[in-house]
Formats: sequence, C-alpha cells, structure tokens
Amino acid sequence: QSALTQPASVSGSPGQSITISCTGTSSDVGGYNYVSWYQQRPGKAPKLMIHDVSNRPSGVSHRFSGSKSGNTASLTISGLQAEDEADYYCSSYRSGSILLFGGGTKLTVL
Amino acid sequence: QVQIQQWGAGVLRPSETLSLTCAVFGEPFRGYYWHWIRQPPGKGLEWIGKINHSGSTNYNPSLESRATISEDTSENQFSLKLTSLTAADTAIYYCVRGSDFWTFEYWGQGSLVSVSS
Repeated sequence: QSALTQPASVSGSPGQSITISCTGTSSDVGGYNYVSWYQQRPGKAPKLMIHDVSNRPSGVSHRFSGSKSGNTASLTISGLQAEDEADYYCSSYRSGSILLFGGGTKLTVL
Repeated sequence: QVQIQQWGAGVLRPSETLSLTCAVFGEPFRGYYWHWIRQPPGKGLEWIGKINHSGSTNYNPSLESRATISEDTSENQFSLKLTSLTAADTAIYYCVRGSDFWTFEYWGQGSLVSVSS
C-alpha cells in the first residue's frame, strides 16, 4: 500500500479535462508545497510534469496544471489528447527527509 | 543538457548484493541531489534514497538497513549497494538528478535487476 493515495484509473475523451487526485497527510502533502507529478509512458522512464505543487518545467504543455487543497494535491489535464495516455505518479516530501510516491494512476484517452 | 548513464546488475541470487553505478555527463556533478528509485515490474515507483553535493545521504526507512548510496565526485559517478536481496527486490532501478531534495528532474534509462534462485 502506497503512502500517497491515487485513483487506480481515470479516463476521458479527447478535448475533455480530467483531474487526478493525490491524498496524503499533514506530514507530507498538507504540510509542504513539495508535491510533484510524473508522466510515465510504457517502457519509458518517468518525466517530470509539475513540481512544487503547481510549477511547470520548461517544455511541458500548458494543458498540465497542479494545485493543492489541504492534504490533497491534484493534477489537471485540459484539452485531453491521445498522447496524454500514460501512467501518472505524484510524489511528496514527508517530514523526516523522506520522499513518497503515490500508487500511480492509469489515464485512458477514450 | 545533463546525460545520465547507468550500468550494473542483471540477474542475482537471493542473499546476494546488488551494485549499480550512474555516470553523469554534460553538467557539473556537484550542486545537485542524486537519487535512486525503483519500480517492480507492473507496479509503482519507490524512492530508495539520495546523496547530495556534500555527501549527505537519506534513505527510505523500509530499505535503510540494506541500502548504501555513495559518490565519486572525481569520476562524476554515484552508486547504490543493496544487500540481502530477495525476489521482492526485482525491479527496474533508476538513477535520478534533482535541483532540490524533493524533485526528480532527470532520469537515467533504468537498469533491470532480477533476483532469482
């Protein structure tokens, strides 16, 4: 069982928006703005999509955005495209210099 | 842009020690955080630990007793040793760079380690 809780799967049609949640505790997600999101396509290494809750690295599409409320962080993908189909993982810093991952969410573009 | 090349491992037997190394090219080694992360086949990601520019290490509490991360700044390399292997340690092992402690920016290609008798 992962320390951070994500839905196992989400789906959406092209052009729609979807949101993936990542729920932790006040010792990790809720206590620090150190949440990141990663996209992993089959057979590939993960790719950083969002860091520090809501910041996009250079080169990442503006269709990807992040937010946080309380102990839950969220990744929203707007204008869904076929190429967005992948697994998505959240990560967070936890007090005591520990880093955690969520269990991952499989995004299916219908 | 930074390039990370990793090597080592393959097929190991239970109770043996895993040894993996990553080399960094294209950008300075110092000033960053260097992590090891693993992913069992078909499963999620697990942070193993990190070493930073001053040689300070932190580990996942679940692996701390078996894992050692070290660096060789003269060679721009860092390494992972994991002792007392079991089948549960079968995974793809990634080396990763971060500009801060909590963000995984650049990932190596991954090395598959299989533990089997």
